[in-house]
Amino acid sequence: DIQMTQFPSSLSASVGDTVTITCRASQGISNYLAWFQQKPGKAPRSLIYAASSLQSGVPSKFSGSGSGTDFTLTINSLQPEDFATYYCQQYHSYPRTFGQGTNLEIK
Amino acid sequence: QLQLRESGPGLVKPSETLSLTCTVSGGSISSSDYYWALIRQPPGKGLEWIGAIYYSGSTYYNPSLKSRVTISVDTSKNQFSLKLNSVTAADTAVYYCARDFVVPDLWGQGTLVTVSS
Repeated sequence: DIQMTQFPSSLSASVGDTVTITCRASQGISNYLAWFQQKPGKAPRSLIYAASSLQSGVPSKFSGSGSGTDFTLTINSLQPEDFATYYCQQYHSYPRTFGQGTNLEIK
Repeated sequence: QLQLRESGPGLVKPSETLSLTCTVSGGSISSSDYYWALIRQPPGKGLEWIGAIYYSGSTYYNPSLKSRVTISVDTSKNQFSLKLNSVTAADTAVYYCARDFVVPDLWGQGTLVTVSS
């Protein structure tokens, strides 16, 4: 299985800040990388696929980059609704695997 | 608008079989564009991909669960289903159904299944 490692595991930031979350794959996955946002008690929401393509309806404040083994999710101008847990997922091969999550908290 | 809804017992006894049904509404499960996935999340923990099925019945399973998991599809009912046998407390989780179009892009609300005697 491909192991996905996210860092940091938790992050404190203020409204208006820009933050970056990193995801590393245990082997090369080209750009077969997705990002999800999850709020407490809710199902995850798909934000980005193919490392940098936004899902329909996702605001442009979210951006992704990377290829191979190293990927980033950047969120610009944080608003209160952006504070949540973020997961990466590889879909290069089965089984699909997720990172352990990054909990973005309000400072 | 397509929606997914999970249904099944919220409590299962250890060593028994967990059964979960995902009902697709507002669209056809027989679309050639999608797989249909099952993902779970133990309380306070991260996401684990269980497996996925195509409308034809083709499946992919997580090897960590493969010996205990069966995913099936009933196109006449627009449903797909999970059976996980020999459950233990470690199988306690919120179970999600999702449409998988490259990635899980549409999710059900999830249902908590607790394994306890």
